Amino acid sequence: NAGVMQNPRHLVRRRGQEARLRCSPMKGHSHVYWYRQLPEEGLKFMVYLQKENIIDESGMPKERFSAEFPKEGPSILRIQQVVRGDSAAYFCASSPPGGTAGELFFGEGSRLTVL
Amino acid sequence: DAKTTQPTSMDCAEGRAANLPCNHSTISGNEYVYWYRQIHSQGPQYIIHGLKNNETNEMASLIITEDRKSSTLILPHATLRDTAVYYCIVTTGNNRKLIWGLGTSLAVNP
Repeated sequence: NAGVMQNPRHLVRRRGQEARLRCSPMKGHSHVYWYRQLPEEGLKFMVYLQKENIIDESGMPKERFSAEFPKEGPSILRIQQVVRGDSAAYFCASSPPGGTAGELFFGEGSRLTVL
Repeated sequence: DAKTTQPTSMDCAEGRAANLPCNHSTISGNEYVYWYRQIHSQGPQYIIHGLKNNETNEMASLIITEDRKSSTLILPHATLRDTAVYYCIVTTGNNRKLIWGLGTSLAVNP
């Protein structure tokens, strides 16, 4: 049973470019979460999605960031016009429907470097 | 969500028990205590959670004080692979937005 799959694992972008991070949840999981981790800091919640719905995006920056979880395919975190401050590790997690709210299964992360 | 306080770092000898404390003095009656760990450069890993009773699984034991204001995660026989940052998180049963602090950096030494 494959775990949460994230790709790419490492991504380098120049300022102003777009970054797209993908996350395939564990089989049977319908809840997806995105977290961001800056160096030497704890994780910061960004967004919580279910299939075709954004449930809670209170942690998403107001501009340049968007997330989706379509009916088919992986969840996508999109960052437009990246800036150096976007350099971070982005972690995706998933959980099953009806599962314990705080028990999340994390992927290995996507590390974005903005030059 | 209640705030948690953890020591910044701890050391433990390989093969000994590692006891990681967490203070959550403002915890409310419907909030659970969750523990995760993050091995360097990897995604966080769920360890265990509890409400008020002590809990044990194949990874660890969780001891919650009677007043629920603090808890201790116990790794009974620490190995080098247990070296990681351990996070204590308090949240309600239906809140899916976890608030992460800086955790405790545990170093298991040979």
